[in-house]
Amino acid sequence: EPEVTQTPSHQVTQMGQEVILRCVPISNHLYFYWYRQILGQKVEFLVSFYNNEISEKSEIFDDQFSVERPDGSNFTLKIRSTKLEDSAMYFCASTGRRQETQYFGPGTRLLVL
Amino acid sequence: GQQLNQSPQSMFIQEGEDVSMNCTSSSIFNTWLWYKQDPGEGPVLLIALYKAGELTSNGRLTAQFGITRKDSFLNISASIPSDVGIYFCAGHPSSGAQKLVFGQGTRLTINP
Repeated sequence: EPEVTQTPSHQVTQMGQEVILRCVPISNHLYFYWYRQILGQKVEFLVSFYNNEISEKSEIFDDQFSVERPDGSNFTLKIRSTKLEDSAMYFCASTGRRQETQYFGPGTRLLVL
Repeated sequence: GQQLNQSPQSMFIQEGEDVSMNCTSSSIFNTWLWYKQDPGEGPVLLIALYKAGELTSNGRLTAQFGITRKDSFLNISASIPSDVGIYFCAGHPSSGAQKLVFGQGTRLTINP
């Protein structure tokens, strides 16, 4: 069964450093998303991406964040200058023509020291 | 804003018991999805509901999309140890947004 994959599974970084989180969505999917989950809290929407542009973003997704689909398979989330409060699990999700049904990857646990 | 209130926050049950959890909102949602999350992993889709009043089953799981479009419930029958985890409801706000709004989760613990 096709699934969303994410790398790395864990990343530790120093405050102020740039990080890039990578995702490979399900191959025939068209809509891509990033969410985050701070430890012990609910999952929060960051951004949605369709047709090579951002279609929606939350107030969390400020100028420090960017997304890119550099090729036909990868979808990345970049945090330019990490802050302590960026420590969280980051999940990628994708959907096909049935936009409502989002499938999530296993997540990247980011720890900012 | 659009928020989902999920209850209960946690449940402690005996193996074999039935489980019921629900989500409510003060605003209308277009779809309701139920996910299960195991520790350190991503949410796994259990059931998706697309129309008001829809009742859908997936094995021992049954979920319904409330007729007012402001609530949904998930039932698990005859619980087994592998049902342990955190269950999240999620939905698309009626504003047509692509984002999913998540509830706070229900942590299910099962005593064998």
